[in-house]
Amino acid sequence: KAGVTQTPRYLIKTRGQQVTLSCSPISGHRSVSWYQQTPGQGLQFLFEYFSETQRNKGNFPGRFSGRQFSNSRSEMNVSTLELGDSALYLCASGGPGGLVAEAFFGQGTRLTVV
Amino acid sequence: DQQVKQNSPSLSVQEGRISILNCDYTNSMFDYFLWYKKYPAEGPTFLISISSIKDKNEDGRFTVFLNKSAKHLSLHIVPSQPGDSAVYFCAASAAGTASKLTFGTGTRLQVTL
Repeated sequence: KAGVTQTPRYLIKTRGQQVTLSCSPISGHRSVSWYQQTPGQGLQFLFEYFSETQRNKGNFPGRFSGRQFSNSRSEMNVSTLELGDSALYLCASGGPGGLVAEAFFGQGTRLTVV
Repeated sequence: DQQVKQNSPSLSVQEGRISILNCDYTNSMFDYFLWYKKYPAEGPTFLISISSIKDKNEDGRFTVFLNKSAKHLSLHIVPSQPGDSAVYFCAASAAGTASKLTFGTGTRLQVTL
């Protein structure tokens, strides 16, 4: 079956702009989590959606937001971009029970803020 | 505040030998631990996990050991193969927030011929 699909793969934005990233989970998976990966901080949890509801949230400012649609696809939005937002954004898809071991990651979206 | 720490950024091991990757954590609420492997330009891939009620879990060449009193876990790869060369991330979650993983900063393993 198809894996987790993230679009776009690469993105360049200017400071102050906003950006929307998309994630399509594995068919049948209802949990979608988002992570930010930077060289200095590693992977940091942004938030998780399950059945269109935010179930968990990390320690990121309100500029970072997300949503999930009825087909389980998820989007994350970053407003008023800062240079420090440059990172690889990874989406993880989890099974019906949201078991951690069943989290499958997409290839990520590489965001560069200039 | 780095709650999960991988103090060795890199490790080089000869093919056929044992690779030992270490991870320390500070949050006593963590009760589930995982290892992920990541190749360049790909997302992390789940490798093996362990619950806090166990002290060892094996899966083929991979074994994870958990020492709760020391808040330390390690991943052993025996024998190491060139295809194991990747970045390995240790991750942890707490009860009630199973899907919220806290990752370490990763250890780059290079298996040489």
